Amino acid sequence: DQQVKQNSPSLSVQEGRISILNCDYTNSMFDYFLWYKKYPAEGPTFLISISSIKDKNEDGRFTVFLNKSAKHLSLHIVPSQPGDSAVYFCAAEDTGRRALTFGSGTRLQVQP
Amino acid sequence: NAGVTQTPKFQVLKTGQSMTLQCAQDMNHNSMYWYRQDPGMGLRLIYYSASEGTTDKGEVPNGYNVSRLNKREFSLRLESAAPSQTSVYFCASSEDGWMTQYFGAGTRLSVL
Repeated sequence: DQQVKQNSPSLSVQEGRISILNCDYTNSMFDYFLWYKKYPAEGPTFLISISSIKDKNEDGRFTVFLNKSAKHLSLHIVPSQPGDSAVYFCAAEDTGRRALTFGSGTRLQVQP
Repeated sequence: NAGVTQTPKFQVLKTGQSMTLQCAQDMNHNSMYWYRQDPGMGLRLIYYSASEGTTDKGEVPNGYNVSRLNKREFSLRLESAAPSQTSVYFCASSEDGWMTQYFGAGTRLSVL
C-alpha cells in the first residue's frame, strides 16, 4: 500500500512553459514534504521542501504547493528548462519516525 | 567535495554469495541511511543509523545487515544474496534526523 503516490510516470513540456508535478499521500501523520531530483547514474538531490503548517514555498523557479485537506502537493517549475529533465521524487515524513517515504517518481522531459 | 561515497558502483553476484556495500560521508553527519530503488517504485528504506553506535530497521530489512563502523561509515551486508535483491542501492546521510538527506551515486547490484 503506497502511502505516497505519484500517478504520472512521465511528463513532457516545452522549454519556457510551466511543469506541474503532482503527488498524493494517504497518511495523515505526514507533516513534512520534500521534492528530490534525480539525474541518471546519480543519487537524488534535495530540491525544495514544505512544512504542513504552510501551503506554499518558493525557491527561484520552483514552487511547492500543499493542500492538506486533499492530501495533495504539487511542484511547479516556471519556466521549465532542458536542464530540468530528470526524475522527480516526492517524499514525506511522519511525526516521530526517522524516515522518509518516497513516491515512485515522475520523469520530466523538457523539450527545447 | 566528496559528500557521500559508495563503493562499488556495480556488482554482479551469484545466488547465495555474500557481499558488503560500503558507504562513507565526509560532512560530519550524525544520521546515515540505506535505501533500495526498484523499477516503478520509490526509494525504500532498508536500515538507518540515527547516530554512531545505533542502527534501526526500515521498511524492507529482511536479508540485510548493517554496521555503523564509525561516524563516517555505514556498511550494508548481504549474507546470502537472492535474485529479489537485484536493485540499485543508495546510501544517504543527514546532519540530524531525516530531513534533508544527501545521497551517494548508488550501487547497481545484480544477483543471478
